[in-house]
Amino acid sequence: GAVVSQHPSRVICKSGTSVKIECRSLDFQATTMFWYRQFPKQSLMLMATSNEGSKATYEQGVEKDKFLINHASLTLSTLTVTSAHPEDSSFYICSATYWARGSNTEAFFGQGTRLTVV
Amino acid sequence: AQSVTQLGSHVSVSEGALVLLRCNYSSSVPPYLFWYVQYPNQGLQLLLKYTSAATLVKGINGFEAEFKKSETSFHLTKPSAHMSDAAEYFCAVSEDTGNQFYFGTGTSLTVIP
Repeated sequence: GAVVSQHPSRVICKSGTSVKIECRSLDFQATTMFWYRQFPKQSLMLMATSNEGSKATYEQGVEKDKFLINHASLTLSTLTVTSAHPEDSSFYICSATYWARGSNTEAFFGQGTRLTVV
Repeated sequence: AQSVTQLGSHVSVSEGALVLLRCNYSSSVPPYLFWYVQYPNQGLQLLLKYTSAATLVKGINGFEAEFKKSETSFHLTKPSAHMSDAAEYFCAVSEDTGNQFYFGTGTSLTVIP
């Protein structure tokens, strides 16, 4: 299957700083990428959907200015957590899809990024 | 609107016993259904998926799931649990395999030696 690489796998940052998380599709061009957040012992909640070359669509309740998403190319999407605070500590996972034969294929997930804000 | 309900946030089975993880869904359109496994501090690994073909779907690691439209269920089973099966399992629904996924709250499986 297709491979999605997410980097870094773990990051610890100081409160008030910004952190960038990368999501790369290694062997396919991803027309759409999704960013999810997972709180401890809870399910994954969709944060935003991004299509290459256009602005991301954020889910209700997700702060656009805090969670900046850039999908500048068909193989890379980035999530930047700006002015991070301890409550932003979480597990962030991306997924990527591509169009084939007139429809989206299955979604492929990255390995996730464990963000800890101290 | 789509949603997924996983009954039982924690399931414990003895090694060699049957594993049954329950998943019920609601969807306004014919759904695509998935089961994912997540090991600690790792991403999601696809176990199996239903995409309107055979109702009994076989996945990796000996898992299988049966789509029952009348019961709006997609329960995950494995005949004989192995210690390595201990993990978090998520059921998910999507209108299209590439669209956003709606996840259940997850079921933590413990396998007792």
